Amino acid sequence: DTEVTQTPKHLVMGMTNKKSLKCEQHMGHRAMYWYKQKAKKPPELMFVYSYEKLSINESVPSRFSPECPNSSLLNLHLHALQPEDSALYLCASSQVRLGGGNTEAFFGQGTRLTVV
Amino acid sequence: AQSVTQPDIHITVSEGASLELRCNYSYGATPYLFWYVQSPGQGLQLLLKYFSGDTLVQGIKGFEAEFKRSQSSFNLRKPSVHWSDAAEYFCAVGDDGQNFVFGPGTRLSVLP
Repeated sequence: DTEVTQTPKHLVMGMTNKKSLKCEQHMGHRAMYWYKQKAKKPPELMFVYSYEKLSINESVPSRFSPECPNSSLLNLHLHALQPEDSALYLCASSQVRLGGGNTEAFFGQGTRLTVV
Repeated sequence: AQSVTQPDIHITVSEGASLELRCNYSYGATPYLFWYVQSPGQGLQLLLKYFSGDTLVQGIKGFEAEFKRSQSSFNLRKPSVHWSDAAEYFCAVGDDGQNFVFGPGTRLSVLP
């Protein structure tokens, strides 16, 4: 099973709402990622969790709050977002190499977020 | 810091024609290299990867790529393109940390 599952597939939220994006994998991967992708652009890294600890935060605004409850789950909590935050949010996972670095990343289908 | 360039923003080929998508990277050590494909509104699917060893790697859907250290390139090829190959293609490099850096992407259109 090489599947990363993201829910919901689509989300429309107001600027005062609080919502969460969820991501799940059962490949035993110990690195999990959140990427943001705007139309016609490559994915931009937001956060990386390694062994359930936040290891990379690419200067993401605090209105995005990641959480890794266990090795299979990754959440992204959203609060007070702006219309410019509308994008495709992609979750990915990969195995951690003993000598450093990660193996290939497997991506979910994404959550299409619209902030109104 | 590592970087990836894909010189071609958009390529159009006829169905049945051969395809080559270019990718150049900048990285000090031996890179981990990947090609991903993305259909509109979908996630990214891994086509193939290079970590070490044979510089010609085979992937899914009939794709292959060749790593050329001297040219810092990892070009993607397919001998005969199908209409279903129309999509966005991203080259990516992984470092010794936990980051994957993506190129800007090449959009492939296929003419019937």
